Amino acid sequence: KNEVEQSPQNLTAQEGEFITINCSYSVGISALHWLQQHPGGGIVSLFMLSSGKKKHGRLIATINIQEKHSSLHITASHPRDSAVYICAVDPGADGLTFGKGTHLIIQP
Amino acid sequence: DTAVSQTPKYLVTQMGNDKSIKCEQNLGHDTMYWYKQDSKKFLKIMFSYNNKELIINETVPNRFSPKSPDKAHLNLHINSLELGDSAVYFCASSQRGTQETQYFGPGTRLLVL
Repeated sequence: KNEVEQSPQNLTAQEGEFITINCSYSVGISALHWLQQHPGGGIVSLFMLSSGKKKHGRLIATINIQEKHSSLHITASHPRDSAVYICAVDPGADGLTFGKGTHLIIQP
Repeated sequence: DTAVSQTPKYLVTQMGNDKSIKCEQNLGHDTMYWYKQDSKKFLKIMFSYNNKELIINETVPNRFSPKSPDKAHLNLHINSLELGDSAVYFCASSQRGTQETQYFGPGTRLLVL
């Protein structure tokens, strides 16, 4: 069974700071997803990674398959980035396994 | 146009009742999913359907049954509702399987009294 650990669980930062959220998993996977859940409850897929690095606007996601680790970075953070960020892994068989999420608050 | 829609958005019901939640996607995707998010905001896969065939069933009680009348719809039927079924249920879809980006519906907040 794949365990997915995210850190930190909670993060409060000032507007403009560089944010890093980490995700570690215990067994081999075929893909890793980063999701964002808004305060209103909606879930949006940010990235799906199987190797390397992806960038979208101020968001960057990296994955190291050998280390079983992924990071989500936010540059020039803004209060509208405040949300829960969820890491989910796909071991290729039983569907996604989710981390418990990182609750991010960006203060003006 | 909404890509993945769910109805109803809110559902309040009594223990023991039977209820359904509907999900529709207009993305032409092959795979649809149901997830449950508990009171601690933890997400867990319940079911997925690929071309009308159930391919995942994660130890979910058999009071829960997914029904897919066609590729664009995956409905969730729940019999004999229990207090512990109170949660937010999300429908999602992807082009082909879990190695593709998933698109989520807005969620259905179920409260069992």
